[in-house]
Amino acid sequence: QVQLQESGPGLVKPSETLSLICTVSGVSISSYYWSWIRQPPGKGLEWIGYTFYSRNTVYNPSLKSRVTMSLDTSQNQFSLRLSSVTAADTAVYYCAREDGRWASNFQHWGQGTLVTVSS
Amino acid sequence: QSALTQPASVSASPGQSITISCTGTSSDVGGSNHVSWYQQHPGKAPKFMIYDVSNRPSGVSDRFSGSKSGNTASLTISGLQAEDEAYYYCNSHTSTSTVMFGGGTKLTVL
Repeated sequence: QVQLQESGPGLVKPSETLSLICTVSGVSISSYYWSWIRQPPGKGLEWIGYTFYSRNTVYNPSLKSRVTMSLDTSQNQFSLRLSSVTAADTAVYYCAREDGRWASNFQHWGQGTLVTVSS
Repeated sequence: QSALTQPASVSASPGQSITISCTGTSSDVGGSNHVSWYQQHPGKAPKFMIYDVSNRPSGVSDRFSGSKSGNTASLTISGLQAEDEAYYYCNSHTSTSTVMFGGGTKLTVL
């Protein structure tokens, strides 16, 4: 059974870098596309990016200059780094895995973690 | 990239049917077979309901169906039940290999 769990600081200061980790169990992260998706409070979902074994990584153009995603196969984890954060980056951040058919079919989700950007 | 366009809200009584639209362009919905739909209850992670326009993952009720015409995809829920009350989001793969979500639709079961 695939399980995903996000972890990281719940509070980040403006202009600093947000760092989150998604720990995966039940499947190797060497397979499948892995994504980050966020949801500002009271708002809709925003796709951040996806990566496949770090060989094919695509980011949302609106965030591309600030985002880095990477995989740690030894820990079966993948990570998100978002630099120069502002209050607009306050959101629940989800990690997700596709269904094995297509990268944008987000079948498996973590429970989400709220990150607040504030001084 | 702008979000796909969904109605902000829809409502209907139990037992009725509703359809939620998701409108994009020829660079996303219109040009992609990879449109999916998600159900989200408050405080919960989204749930995968429809993939590749009209396919249901295992375990999803056959009351949920999807379709597409031109640049607009649609989610239809028949035989509405109280537990269907939630937010619904569409997404589409795009011609530049990115992913776009719709703005979300709040379904109220009266």
